[in-house]
Amino acid sequence: RKEVEQDPGPFNVPEGATVAFNCTYSNSASQSFFWYRQDCRKEPKLLMSVYSSGNEDGRFTAQLNRASQYISLLIRDSKLSDSATYLCVVNPRAGFQKLVFGTGTRLLVSP
Amino acid sequence: DADVTQTPRNRITKTGKRIMLECSQTKGHDRMYWYRQDPGLGLRLIYYSFDVKDINKGEISDGYSVSRQAQAKFSLSLESAIPNQTALYFCATSVTTGGAHNEQFFGPGTRLTVL
Repeated sequence: RKEVEQDPGPFNVPEGATVAFNCTYSNSASQSFFWYRQDCRKEPKLLMSVYSSGNEDGRFTAQLNRASQYISLLIRDSKLSDSATYLCVVNPRAGFQKLVFGTGTRLLVSP
Repeated sequence: DADVTQTPRNRITKTGKRIMLECSQTKGHDRMYWYRQDPGLGLRLIYYSFDVKDINKGEISDGYSVSRQAQAKFSLSLESAIPNQTALYFCATSVTTGGAHNEQFFGPGTRLTVL
């Protein structure tokens, strides 16, 4: 089983739609969680960290379910500019910063 | 100017050649990383360094070596390149703090093709 698993997609949605991605992780001791965004042929960039209580940043909401070992990302009111690959990232050990990356979920937002 | 730079951005080489990829950062971060990205496999850690003179193997270090010449520079070498090292290579940096949520900042990547 992979340490971090994501549905590769692609998710094809119209502008204005709400879309959700899930990610599961295998190490129950994992300490911190992130969503990174990667545009085609570009470097990954941090979208948001994921906190135990859940957190929101504008149209983006991240949730963590430790009991079921999954992380979710919800995007509301999708924009064309949201088209990208979203990487689920897990830090298995506190303070160590040795990140484990999922393979990514591709999102395509169409007019 | 970019905070994390990589050179070259693209490189085509032949099997058996020695290749060096360079990474420089102006962020003042102490931690630096080299990853490779392959379709369907995601980013995988090759080597990482928490400070000058500190070198650690990642999950796929075989066939690679690194050098941390200064806090701002971290180079990756392929001693004898082989075709399955064809990939997109990223350098990343982060700063040491007590928190667990420290962001890693990535360079623009080097696309390497080994023929």
